[in-house]
Amino acid sequence: DVKVTQSSRYLVKRTGEKVFLECVQDMDHENMFWYRQDPGLGLRLIYFSYDVKMKEKGDIPEGYSVSREKKERFSLILESASTNQTSMYLCASSFRVRTGGNEQYFGPGTRLTVT
Amino acid sequence: GIQVEQSPPDLILQEGANSTLRCNFSDSVNNLQWFHQNPWGQLINLFYIPSGTKQNGRLSATTVATERYSLLYISSSQTTDSGVYFCAVLYWGETSGSRLTFGEGTQLTVNP
Repeated sequence: DVKVTQSSRYLVKRTGEKVFLECVQDMDHENMFWYRQDPGLGLRLIYFSYDVKMKEKGDIPEGYSVSREKKERFSLILESASTNQTSMYLCASSFRVRTGGNEQYFGPGTRLTVT
Repeated sequence: GIQVEQSPPDLILQEGANSTLRCNFSDSVNNLQWFHQNPWGQLINLFYIPSGTKQNGRLSATTVATERYSLLYISSSQTTDSGVYFCAVLYWGETSGSRLTFGEGTQLTVNP
């Protein structure tokens, strides 16, 4: 079974703090993704990575950065957390380009509250 | 960008009823996934279905890529089927890998 894990299920941080969200997958997937989910706005892509040390901006990258030093791990960084970053954060992974094999698998999510 | 529309937005059923959820998309896509989001927020993979029909127990899905829609069928619904069902379309590029665009979801409530 594919397994995607995230470092925390619930997280409470103060405005201005630096926040790290970690994601690990065990399927040797090339692609990894960070999404956020908000009521009324659905799921939106923040950043993705298709290889180690590679990153691409998604639809809403402002206020976030990412790091991918190892293939299995993808970190989302909030340099200075703000209240509008309170959200559910979901990590996903997939193979890069495989015939019939681009299915994305999601982690359990991290509910982040910034006060 | 690609637009994904799901209908209906909300659906309330009695246990044992059948239902059909629809997903329309605005452009050609490489693939399509259906998810169920459980009460704890995790997205559970239901189907990965570029075209044709697949079945898994009481659930089945059909995608007609040429007409840009997909249907998710739930038969003999159970209370545990409650939750949000998302359709997401997949497209990829040489350097960008595979990206998903999600619909707004269908909130399904199954009453006992």
